[in-house]
Amino acid sequence: NAGVTQTPKFQVLKTGQSMTLQCAQDMNHEYMSWYRQDPGMGLRLIHYSVGAGITDQGEVPNGYNVSRSTTEDFPLRLLSAAPSQTSVYFCASTKTGNTEAFFGQGTRLTVV
Amino acid sequence: AQSVTQLDSQVPVFEEAPVELRCNYSSSVSVYLFWYVQYPNQGLQLLLKYLSGSTLVKGINGFEAEFNKSQTSFHLRKPSVHISDTAEYFCAVSDYLGNEKLTFGTGTRLTIIP
Repeated sequence: NAGVTQTPKFQVLKTGQSMTLQCAQDMNHEYMSWYRQDPGMGLRLIHYSVGAGITDQGEVPNGYNVSRSTTEDFPLRLLSAAPSQTSVYFCASTKTGNTEAFFGQGTRLTVV
Repeated sequence: AQSVTQLDSQVPVFEEAPVELRCNYSSSVSVYLFWYVQYPNQGLQLLLKYLSGSTLVKGINGFEAEFNKSQTSFHLRKPSVHISDTAEYFCAVSDYLGNEKLTFGTGTRLTIIP
């Protein structure tokens, strides 16, 4: 029972590099979202998707892109990494009509 | 727009003592309220939720919370804590089912003192 799987668990990037954080869920959930967690700031919504082909911006979308080509996958792309993007990133999914969001284990990203 | 305030960033409590973690929210529409727990180096898991009905909700691990609409609060309580309750606790709000737009508080780190 995998749930929500995020890869990688840890990543170090140099300023200006690009990368994709992967998120996959095997629960057939329609809703998926990306959050970043920073000390003293809780979790802030970056982007979310209500279904395949549909995405929208959250509270802090600048510097990130997403796409949703399948129900299962919701990758987060950093176009040109900056030190301000050093954070822990969480992916979450929710089934329509339910109220429990299931979270992945997180990706700890450091940009130097 | 909605917001969540967790005034206590850290709460130290002796083992077997009671604890209350405070959460206040603001919203212009009806809300759904949640408490999530994050154990060290893990993701978040749902502790309990209030959608409607009884204002006292019970969750996992002996936690409960009470929704108070007049005070816009949703405080989390446990009558007797255990070492294993050491974690960070997040209060969250959404204004419709689906949770794709949860708004989180800044979190409260609960430390249990043996």
